[in-house]
Amino acid sequence: DTAVSQTPKYLVTQMGNDKSIKCEQNLGHDTMYWYKQDSKKFLKIMFSYNNKELIINETVPNRFSPKSPDKAHLNLHINSLELGDSAVYFCASSQEPRITEAFFGQGTRLTVV
Amino acid sequence: GNSVTQMEGPVTLSEEAFLTINCTYTATGYPSLFWYVQYPGEGLQLLLKATKADDKGSNKGFEATYRKETTSFHLEKGSVQVSDSAVYFCALSVGTGNQFYFGTGTSLTVIP
Repeated sequence: DTAVSQTPKYLVTQMGNDKSIKCEQNLGHDTMYWYKQDSKKFLKIMFSYNNKELIINETVPNRFSPKSPDKAHLNLHINSLELGDSAVYFCASSQEPRITEAFFGQGTRLTVV
Repeated sequence: GNSVTQMEGPVTLSEEAFLTINCTYTATGYPSLFWYVQYPGEGLQLLLKATKADDKGSNKGFEATYRKETTSFHLEKGSVQVSDSAVYFCALSVGTGNQFYFGTGTSLTVIP
């Protein structure tokens, strides 16, 4: 039973399209995150939600819009995709960031052509 | 602010060699410290953690000690294996801010 699952695992799409990545966690955690990992493996926080409320919204183009219908789900919608959006996107969750670790999904490799 | 600095890679070692990956941090407050490992094509997995000064985290032969005086959390392993080839991330979290701060990652390749 996967703790943090995200779909799809691979996503290839053309520039200008709109796409969504879904994330679900069955750990009962209150906090969920989206990270972007570039080709050099650098991880950048994009968003953080706590109990469905947006906590962190880093400098991300407003083409990226997270949606949290309940605390177990955090989806990422991307409008008007650009070549530079190609990356691996990771969803993660944690209960008590000060003490407990974050659990990561397997990642979604997005390729914009 | 909060940040993590870890040694740049890539690192290439022969099997059974000793491994050290340096990690230093700056933090407001008292952070918890983590090492994550990312195998090719996979997500990040927790390798070990330490939540207060002088704690030692250990797992799978890897160790790291939370050194407050030097603000460091260096990862060590006495004898690496080919299966340890992966990218290693040092990270911290603090109570405020509700997020994890990651280093840039260090790629390790172990050759037979």
